[in-house]
Amino acid sequence: AQTVTQSQPEMSVQEAETVTLSCTYDTSESDYYLFWYKQPPSRQMILVIRQEAYKQQNATENRFSVNFQKAAKSFSLKISDSQLGDAAMYFCAYTRADYTDKLIFGTGTRLQVFP
Amino acid sequence: GAVVSQHPSWVICKSGTSVKIECRSLDFQATTMFWYRQFPKQSLMLMATSNEGSKATYEQGVEKDKFLINHASLTLSTLTVTSAHPEDSSFYICSAYRQGNQPQHFGDGTRLSIL
Repeated sequence: AQTVTQSQPEMSVQEAETVTLSCTYDTSESDYYLFWYKQPPSRQMILVIRQEAYKQQNATENRFSVNFQKAAKSFSLKISDSQLGDAAMYFCAYTRADYTDKLIFGTGTRLQVFP
Repeated sequence: GAVVSQHPSWVICKSGTSVKIECRSLDFQATTMFWYRQFPKQSLMLMATSNEGSKATYEQGVEKDKFLINHASLTLSTLTVTSAHPEDSSFYICSAYRQGNQPQHFGDGTRLSIL
């Protein structure tokens, strides 16, 4: 069975600094998708970034980038130039290479941003 | 704008009543919808996968007689919590798969409080 692990329950960062959130996963599939979702206090699920496993190039979305290490089954999120609005719960998620399949979420990392 | 609408956003009711939550895809046909449950400070846990025109597939440990799921049309899935009790109080969130190699879209969630 596939699993997703986030080992950092909480992280904090100073505004304008950089922070990296960790995620590891386990799967026997060779093709799959990985995501980082942001959940602010409003509890909306906001897609931050996604990575397709067959693509070697790390995904980037403005200040957000990932370090995807397929062999190590590692998928970390780097937030550059952190802003107060980045404070939220961040969930790493996995799905098989079919968007119709369910998402498997990690336990989440609460990110605090200090001014 | 939102592509998945979830209603109601917050409901408070007495123990023993049944509560229906709606999840609508606004501008696309969703053959598959997912229902998740989230306890405070925890991750999203999949409850069931809802396929249009067929019975929902429930995850292990989810009572199908307690949580009735209906997906009668390509734009609407409903979750009914029957004879709700305080332990059913939680945050329920749906998502829908939109065809075209796109990830799932989430509704804004429903906060259910049973007194």
